[in-house]
Amino acid sequence: ETGVTQTPRHLVMGMTNKKSLKCEQHLGHNAMYWYKQSAKKPLELMFVYNFKEQTENNSVPSRFSPECPNSSHLFLHLHTLQPEDSALYLCASSQVTLTDTQYFGPGTRLTVL
Amino acid sequence: AQTVTQSQPEMSVQEAETVTLSCTYDTSESDYYLFWYKQPPSRQMILVIRQEAYKQQNATENRFSVNFQKAAKSFSLKISDSQLGDAAMYFCAYKILGNEKLTFGTGTRLTIIP
Repeated sequence: ETGVTQTPRHLVMGMTNKKSLKCEQHLGHNAMYWYKQSAKKPLELMFVYNFKEQTENNSVPSRFSPECPNSSHLFLHLHTLQPEDSALYLCASSQVTLTDTQYFGPGTRLTVL
Repeated sequence: AQTVTQSQPEMSVQEAETVTLSCTYDTSESDYYLFWYKQPPSRQMILVIRQEAYKQQNATENRFSVNFQKAAKSFSLKISDSQLGDAAMYFCAYKILGNEKLTFGTGTRLTIIP
């Protein structure tokens, strides 16, 4: 595998379910990000992990819980979601330097019923 | 707060022609980076081109080039010799030097007419 991978690509869940999204980067980067992409809205940054430490939580509801066990893996644990949480969830990674270009995964399309 | 504005929700261009996508941004910072990302139907966000604000020379990547006007806070993307594979959503994004946060515009959907 190369670049940034995300699993699953599609997920349908009920409001009472618990599920997790997984992201893995194969670029040797040290920062990882979760974004939410909803229709007709700009991408919203949710969480940032820099050297495995969470450095940003962009006022995200507690029903979203991130986990970064190492610099290559990032999870987003989901529980008691709402229908308005349905969106495309994108993971990205970067090397923390001055330029810091972010590279994205293909996303997980989440539908909450 | 920094904002990025893409005023063209949709654009279309004839194959092999040239098209320009607009982007303006608002910031009080002097050191920052600007990006254009492409998101085809496969959904993968792909970096197209990057511009450092301290560089006066416009960035180019093959058929893609930018017109960076720092004083006007404008950052347009020109696609030359448009190809069918260029059809996608194009997002303009902004990042302050040393800050992890990328701020995105709402995107422009580009259609290529055969």
